[in-house]
Amino acid sequence: DAGITQSPRHKVTETGTPVTLRCHQTENHRYMYWYRQDPGHGLRLIHYSYGVKDTDKGEVSDGYSVSRSKTEDFLLTLESATSSQTSVYFCAISEPGLAETGELFFGEGSRLTVL
Amino acid sequence: GQQVMQIPQYQHVQEGEDFTTYCNSSTTLSNIQWYKQRPGGHPVFLIQLVKSGEVKKQKRLTFQFGEAKKNSSLHITATQTTDVGTYFCAGEGGYQKVTFGTGTKLQVIP
Repeated sequence: DAGITQSPRHKVTETGTPVTLRCHQTENHRYMYWYRQDPGHGLRLIHYSYGVKDTDKGEVSDGYSVSRSKTEDFLLTLESATSSQTSVYFCAISEPGLAETGELFFGEGSRLTVL
Repeated sequence: GQQVMQIPQYQHVQEGEDFTTYCNSSTTLSNIQWYKQRPGGHPVFLIQLVKSGEVKKQKRLTFQFGEAKKNSSLHITATQTTDVGTYFCAGEGGYQKVTFGTGTKLQVIP
């Protein structure tokens, strides 16, 4: 398995509190992604990064921010958690080839419950 | 933005029956990937298709990429209980922005 670690793996928090999820990789891959997975919606892209300090929004970025100060770490922050952000969050990494999309390697997921 | 839909959302089959899931994109794709997620697990890469009309096989799995590069399919011949899981297609909407389909959950009845 690719060296990807997500933390925490499980978290229960209350509405209005800030939450930070961390994704750490040891593969030195350029691209890192945060997805959320909800029943009936598949995997939806929140934010992704194509290098240190280089990030872009995905399809469901509202309410989330990200930071990447080092190649190996990609942080996802919920400034003020809401119940609609209860989900399973997956981090993924990839290293594209010259002319093709890179294979995504996923972390084990972080289950977040917002009460 | 790019949307990727999959049908069916769920499929129950008897072991030994065939299974097909279809993926349709609202935009032309440069390539398409397929992933499998076992219950309680994380998605795992299966294959990538790049060329228009491309067909690839992995044992009992056959993957196709449409001529217009807007649709794709995954066909499993003679399903086994080990095939249980959710199958996702994923397309790149430019700049390595990978969008996943809604997934097809496959249940195999022994």
